[in-house]
This record gives sequence, structure tokens and C-alpha cells, in this order.
Amino acid sequence: GAGVSQSPSNKVTEKGKDVELRCDPISGHTALYWYRQSLGQGLEFLIYFQGNSAPDKSGLPSDRFSAERTGGSVSTLTIQRTQQEDSAVYLCASSWGPSGGGITDTQYFGPGTRLTVL
Amino acid sequence: AQKVTQAQTEISVVEKEDVTLDCVYETRDTTYYLFWYKQPPSGELVFLIRRNSFDEQNEISGRYSWNFQKSTSSFNFTITASQVVDSAVYFCALKNYGQNFVFGPGTRLSVLP
Repeated sequence: GAGVSQSPSNKVTEKGKDVELRCDPISGHTALYWYRQSLGQGLEFLIYFQGNSAPDKSGLPSDRFSAERTGGSVSTLTIQRTQQEDSAVYLCASSWGPSGGGITDTQYFGPGTRLTVL
Repeated sequence: AQKVTQAQTEISVVEKEDVTLDCVYETRDTTYYLFWYKQPPSGELVFLIRRNSFDEQNEISGRYSWNFQKSTSSFNFTITASQVVDSAVYFCALKNYGQNFVFGPGTRLSVLP
């Protein structure tokens, strides 16, 4: 597609339920990133994919969080047993790939999924 | 370690005023890249500019200009003749070679009519 898309745009769930958030990167982009942004805060890095592999999962806040990417394209972020502190906007970004920096590493962001845990 | 500081949490200006958003970074690497992103009220981050560590030339794009100074580890962003549509949160980011992005905390700019 023309840009990074994310679905759903909004998700309201009850505490303890599992949720899945989806990211569809720009066609051809091999790198994919997930971030979390709490209200009025900066970006918190969660996980980075290169192709289908996740060389950096260091930002996942707990083992309730997991992510996968299939076919080098779509990625799903899963939060199990959601807690109220999981409420945030989850942002996905993609880039051409890991040249180390510069043009191919410029990240382009999706519109985000706003997650509210009641 | 990499770090990005945006000391200005919030700035308010009146339309047509010039405004500068500060960004100070820390890195031990000699090869790195600096970025600015805009996040309007709609929420989607928009890429504005990328600068590599070997290019200290300032850049101007319309009403936007960027001043990169390695001597002070700063990459400041100036909006000339600000407009209401410039109201947004602006993030500065640093990427070292082969490493992940590090974003600053952001500066919320409000341009009042």
C-alpha cells in the first residue's frame, strides 16, 4: 500500500482479555518496528523485525507481550491478559532495511492503534 | 549510550512568530543519523528530515530550517512565520550505525491565532 496501515484504529477491551494488533508495512520494506506511546508521552520502543526475525525484543515490557511477522510483511502484536497500564497508542513503523542508517533506515509510521483497557 | 534531550516540554507562540525547537543528543559513535518527526493532533508521525553526521550543512525547506552543530551536539529546528497548522508534538531522534532509533521526549508546540 501507499503507507503503513494499522488495525484496528481503536480497541476497547476488558482487563484480562487478549488483544491482537495488526500492522501492514509499506510494500518492500523489510524492517518493521513497534512502539508504544502513553498519553502525552514519548515513544517507547517495543520490538524490531528484520524480515521475519526479531533481532531486538528488548523493549517488550513483559512476557504478556509477543509479536510475530509472517511473509516478511504483516506483523501482529499480541497482548495477553491485558492490564489497565497497557492502555496506550501502539505505533508501527517500517523502513527499507538495515543499511545502518540514512535513507534506507528512515522510518515511516502508521496511524496507530489506540488501546483502552477497562 | 545514546540519548536525545528536548528540554522544551511545551512552547506557545502567536501565529507569524518564529520558533526554535531544541534538540541535544549524546553518542560516542562517529557515524550517526538525526531525524525530526512531527506528530499532529491526528496522531500519525510524519517524517520531516534526516541528517547524517558527516554533513553539517544547514538545511532549509520552505518555512522550516535545521541547524546541525556537532560541536554542541545539537540539531535544532526553526519554524519561520509559524502557522496554526504547525501545532503538533515534534520529536527529535538519533540512530547510530547498526542500532535502533532513540527518540527524544518531544516538544509540544501550540501556535495561537
